[in-house]
Parts: sequence; structure tokens; C-alpha cells
Amino acid sequence: DADVTQTPRNRITKTGKRIMLECSQTKGHDRMYWYRQDPGLGLRLIYYSFDVKDINKGEISDGYSVSRQAQAKFSLSLESAIPNQTALYFCATSETTTGTDNQPQHFGDGTRLSIL
Amino acid sequence: SQKIEQNSEALNIQEGKTATLTCNYTNYSPAYLQWYRQDPGRGPVFLLLIRENEKEKRKERLKVTFDTTLKQSLFHITASQPADSATYLCALGGNTGGFKTIFGAGTRLFVKA
Repeated sequence: DADVTQTPRNRITKTGKRIMLECSQTKGHDRMYWYRQDPGLGLRLIYYSFDVKDINKGEISDGYSVSRQAQAKFSLSLESAIPNQTALYFCATSETTTGTDNQPQHFGDGTRLSIL
Repeated sequence: SQKIEQNSEALNIQEGKTATLTCNYTNYSPAYLQWYRQDPGRGPVFLLLIRENEKEKRKERLKVTFDTTLKQSLFHITASQPADSATYLCALGGNTGGFKTIFGAGTRLFVKA
């Protein structure tokens, strides 16, 4: 079984719909992240969480929200989807470290989201 | 603003040759640099980390260099194989960017048999 599991793997929906992408992990890591990947652009950070009670906005949080239901679960919601949110979405985890975070990130296999 | 540049053009090489990928950055003083591999339809997988006080790091057929004066990292795959074909991402973090890791867009590598 994968250490970081994302569901669904693919989703097609219409403009204005509410969508939730889910991520669960068995690595026991406290830190979790949501990124989006677009062609020609690097992974861009949407939200991150350092533990269950900690939620922080990333570079491109507008139009998104998250929920950290447990150490192992971190979900991403699009309250009212729009076409420019069509992208590949990745969840990642990393170990906690003191000071500068230099721990590798462990990624799920992504959700391909298309908004018509 | 902080910027990471990786060659957007795919790199095509013959099996057995050394592949060299470049990562340049501006407006940044990272404490570390990471390289990841990404296969189609999959998430990135961590390969190597090199810190700002390290010049070179090796792991099996992989070698990474980090030149903080040139603001550049080179990623080498020696004796390349068709199975090495993938997209390779560099990522920077620490110091200027705090804890966050910033990813480049990646370079696609094709190794021909």
C-alpha cells in the first residue's frame, strides 16, 4: 500500500461545484502539504499543516480551504470551482525538524482535476 | 522574487552516456537543495539533498553539485539507462525562504537505447 494516498485520482466537474480532495498517510509524519502542478510551472504550495491544530496558507491559497482531521488526514476543498483551478494536485508529507526544514517530502500520486 | 530555472527543453541522450541537468536560482540564498524524480502520472520521489556548505554529493550513479557563488546546481546521472527517463525537479529551501521548499518546473530526460 502507498504511504501517501490521494483520492480521487481523477475528477471532472463543472464550474461552481464544491469539490473535496482527500489525502491520507501511513508514514506517521506530522507535516502535510497541498500543492498544485501546472504545465511549465513548478509545484506551488496551497496550504500546509505542521500538526493537527496548525493550518497555514501557502503561495496560492485563494479559492481553496483545508481541513486537518487527524495526523494522518489532510483534505483540500474548492468551495466553488472555476476553470483555472484545473490542474494536478499533490499531497505531501515530511518529518518534523527543528529550525530550517530540510527533510525530504513524500508525495502521493496526485489528483487530476478538470473543471469545465 | 525568488526564481528557480530548469531547462524547459527535454534532454535526449544515448544509453550509457552521462546526463547533466542544470538548476539555476535567483534572489535566493538556500540552506539546501533537493532533487526529485517524477514519472508520468506519479508524484515526485526524493533522490538527493545537498546543503549549502557541501560542494558535491553522490549516491550510486547520481552526483549533485551545489555552487552558491554561481547560484547553480548540476545533477549528473552516469551510465544512463532507459529506465532513467523521467522528469527531474530541483527544489530549494531554508534561509531566505524559511522552512518552505520551492520547486522548479523540472527537466524531462529521455534516454535512448
